[in-house]
Amino acid sequence: GDSVTQTEGLVTLTEGLPVMLNCTYQTIYSNPFLFWYVQHLNESPRLLLKSFTDNKRTEHQGFHATLHKSSSSFHLQKSSAQLSDSALYYCALSEFNYNVLYFGSGTKLTVEP
Amino acid sequence: GALVYQYPRRTICKSGTSMRMECQAVGFQATSVAWYRQSPQKTFELIALSTVNSAIKYEQNFTQEKFPISHPNLSFSSMTVLNAYLEDRGLYLCGARGGQDTQYFGPGTRLLVL
Repeated sequence: GDSVTQTEGLVTLTEGLPVMLNCTYQTIYSNPFLFWYVQHLNESPRLLLKSFTDNKRTEHQGFHATLHKSSSSFHLQKSSAQLSDSALYYCALSEFNYNVLYFGSGTKLTVEP
Repeated sequence: GALVYQYPRRTICKSGTSMRMECQAVGFQATSVAWYRQSPQKTFELIALSTVNSAIKYEQNFTQEKFPISHPNLSFSSMTVLNAYLEDRGLYLCGARGGQDTQYFGPGTRLLVL
């Protein structure tokens, strides 16, 4: 079945340094949709980025990610971390009909001054 | 815009009792509603997918007998947690999708079991 792997459970960074959160996936579908959701404390997850186009960079709120089907990856990046970026980040995959999402285990990002 | 409401936001129930939670889509027609559970310190697990005019599909480890779902129209869905025990605690999210290419999540119902 479909699965999403986020290798880092916890990432701690100093403000101003670049962010990279890893996401790889497995699916039998040739055209998966990949998402990044951000969840702040006591809130529901909020969509940050999404993509279904191979090798095309997608950006939002300073974050960017590129879906690489050759390596089944959709890593999240940001050039300079801000304190307000501290949150849980979930990578998720959907099949063609977007009805359900399969979430990775999540990465807790903590940005320190 | 598209919004999803969930009620209640937080609930406490005694071990062995049941509780019902609701999900309402506003501003769009929810042709499908997926229910997820986030257990403490864990990720989101898909419980079931409910699509109007189709049978509800439950994921492995989740059953209709334990989590019956109702999806009577394009704006409303409800799920009941029957005989709740400690392992059922967590944040229950509904994700509703209409014609757009993404799911909109409600704020969740946080279930505490005593």
